[in-house]
Amino acid sequence: QKEVEQNSGPLSVPEGAIASLNCTYSDRVSQSFFWYRQYSGKSPELIMSIYSNGDKEDGRFTAQLNKASQYVSLLIRDSQPSDSATYLCAVMSTSSASKIIFGSGTRLSIRP
Amino acid sequence: IAGITQAPTSQILAAGRRMTLRCTQDMRHNAMYWYRQDLGLGLRLIHYSNTAGTTGKGEVPDGYSVSRANTDDFPLTLASAVPSQTSVYFCASSERASGFLYNEQFFGPGTRLTVL
Repeated sequence: QKEVEQNSGPLSVPEGAIASLNCTYSDRVSQSFFWYRQYSGKSPELIMSIYSNGDKEDGRFTAQLNKASQYVSLLIRDSQPSDSATYLCAVMSTSSASKIIFGSGTRLSIRP
Repeated sequence: IAGITQAPTSQILAAGRRMTLRCTQDMRHNAMYWYRQDLGLGLRLIHYSNTAGTTGKGEVPDGYSVSRANTDDFPLTLASAVPSQTSVYFCASSERASGFLYNEQFFGPGTRLTVL
């Protein structure tokens, strides 16, 4: 089992709809969770970080963390074509000596 | 503009050659990291440094070495490149050392390396 798992996609969402990206992790005592956006040929860009259970909102983005179920999700409201990218989930896991472990990413495509 | 710079942007290298990838940050971040990104495998940590003068091994350190002589620079050296080291290499930094709760990492633009 991978430490951080994401559906590779592609996830296709119509413009204006809500895009929902999910991530599960294996280390129950993980403490820090991050979402990065990566456009093709570019570097990862941090868009959200979350450290406690519940929701955290920033503009059109909402991160949701459920430590009991070991998943973290990212919701993108009012999806725009510019949101088309690969989204990387990252988890700081104590089983990896507190290093950040990245998932392989979910490719999101917003169709006009 | 504050941030992380990497050089070169891309490089084609013959197998067996020595290569140093450069990384410089001007945010006065304590920690710096080197990752490689390969299709289907995601980002994997090669080496890291929590502060100037210290370094540590990541998930895939073999064939690579690093040094951290000062806060700003964190070069990655391939002593004798092999084709399996063909990848995109990203340098990253964080204000706090790895393992701290609020350890947001910020990435440089990357170096695309091809070893033939």
